Amino acid sequence: DTEVTQTPKHLVMGMTNKKSLKCEQHMGHRAMYWYKQKAKKPPELMFVYSYEKLSINESVPSRFSPECPNSSLLNLHLHALQPEDSALYLCASSQDPPGQGALEQYFGPGTRLTVT
Amino acid sequence: GDSVTQMEGPVTLSEEAFLTINCTYTATGYPSLFWYVQYPGEGLQLLLKATKADDKGSNKGFEATYRKETTSFHLEKGSVQVSDSAVYFCALGVSGNTPLVFGKGTRLSVIA
Repeated sequence: DTEVTQTPKHLVMGMTNKKSLKCEQHMGHRAMYWYKQKAKKPPELMFVYSYEKLSINESVPSRFSPECPNSSLLNLHLHALQPEDSALYLCASSQDPPGQGALEQYFGPGTRLTVT
Repeated sequence: GDSVTQMEGPVTLSEEAFLTINCTYTATGYPSLFWYVQYPGEGLQLLLKATKADDKGSNKGFEATYRKETTSFHLEKGSVQVSDSAVYFCALGVSGNTPLVFGKGTRLSVIA
């Protein structure tokens, strides 16, 4: 089973709201990722967690706050977002951290976020 | 730095036509190569992969061969279907603390 699940599927939030995106995998993967994807563009890496520790932050604004409560869960906390943050947010996982062992990532279906 | 270049889309084909989507790469070291597919409204799905030169990845009728001499990993399918309409991303992975590098994606539309 190579399933990564994400909730919610769609989210509409105002610029003053606080919300969270959730991601879960039960494949025993040791790395998890957050990506942002704008229309007609490839995914842009935001964060990487390796062995539940933040290993890569691609200079993401602090209004995005990742959290990895355990090896199966990954959250993305959202606060004071801007309309330009509207996008598809994708979670992914890989068996091994970047550059180690198997490199392929498995993606969830994404959360379509609209900031009004 | 490491990079992936894909042919510009969109690509429009009739059902049962032959498909080629070109992908070339630049990498230090010896990358693994991947094709991902994204259907409308969905996340990316791993379509196939190759981890060393001359490997051929295949899945669902799609194939790609890792060509080190031409630094290429072109995606092919002998007979496309309407259900193959999607965006296809070529990607590479290398050693070191570097996640996957994606190409810009190629949109394929197959018409009946």
